[in-house]
Amino acid sequence: GAVVSQHPSRVICKSGTSVKIECRSLDFQATTMFWYRQFPKQSLMLMATSNEGSKATYEQGVEKDKFLINHASLTLSTLTVTSAHPEDSSFYICSARDNTGARHEKLFFGSGTQLSVL
Amino acid sequence: AQKVTQAQTEISVVEKEDVTLDCVYETRDTTYYLFWYKQPPSGELVFLIRRNSFDEQNEISGRYSWNFQKSTSSFNFTITASQVVDSAVYFCALSTYSGAGSYQLTFGKGTKLSVIP
Repeated sequence: GAVVSQHPSRVICKSGTSVKIECRSLDFQATTMFWYRQFPKQSLMLMATSNEGSKATYEQGVEKDKFLINHASLTLSTLTVTSAHPEDSSFYICSARDNTGARHEKLFFGSGTQLSVL
Repeated sequence: AQKVTQAQTEISVVEKEDVTLDCVYETRDTTYYLFWYKQPPSGELVFLIRRNSFDEQNEISGRYSWNFQKSTSSFNFTITASQVVDSAVYFCALSTYSGAGSYQLTFGKGTKLSVIP
C-alpha cells in the first residue's frame, strides 16, 4: 500500500481562496517532509523543508506567507496555499524521509496534488 | 552547489528495444545518495532505486539496471526489452547533506521516455 498519502489529488478553487494539502506518512514517523512544485513538463522544484515541531525552511524565492507549512506531528505535514491565484496552479508533491532501520535515508513521495485556480 | 543533468529531454524507442537514460551529477560532498524515480502520466513519483556514494556496484532488477561510475559522476539507467508500460518521465536525483541534520534532494529535469508498440 501507499507509504505516503497526499490529499487531495486534485482541487479546483476560485481565485482568492485558500487551499490546504495534506501529506501523511502511513507506516513510519517522518521528522522531515519536503514540498515540491512541478510545472508542466518541468522538473520538481523544492519549495520548502518541513521539520516536525519547528518552522519550515523555505527555498529562495518561495513566499512564506503565501505557502504556509505546518508539521504538527511526526506523520502529518500540511501545505496551505493562501489567497490562491491562477499563477499558483501547479502540481504539488510532498515527500517524507524514513530514517529508521533498513529504510534509512529513503524518501517516499505522495501521489501529488493538481491545483487549478480559476 | 549540487546539480543533476539529464541531457536527454525525450527519447522514443520501439517496444523490445533497450534504452539507456543518462544522468550526470555534480557535488563536492563525499557522501551522497543517488536516486531514480519514474513519473507515469498519472503524476505520482515511483521510487526505483537508491544508491549511496560508497557503493559502486552495478545493480540489476528485472529489466532495469543501473551503472554507477564515480569517476565520471554518472548514474545511468538502462531498461532492457522496453515495454509500453515503461513510457513515463524518469528523474534522476541527488541527495546531499545540507546541515543541521537535513538532506536536500536535487532533481534533474527528467527524461521523457516513449515506448512505441
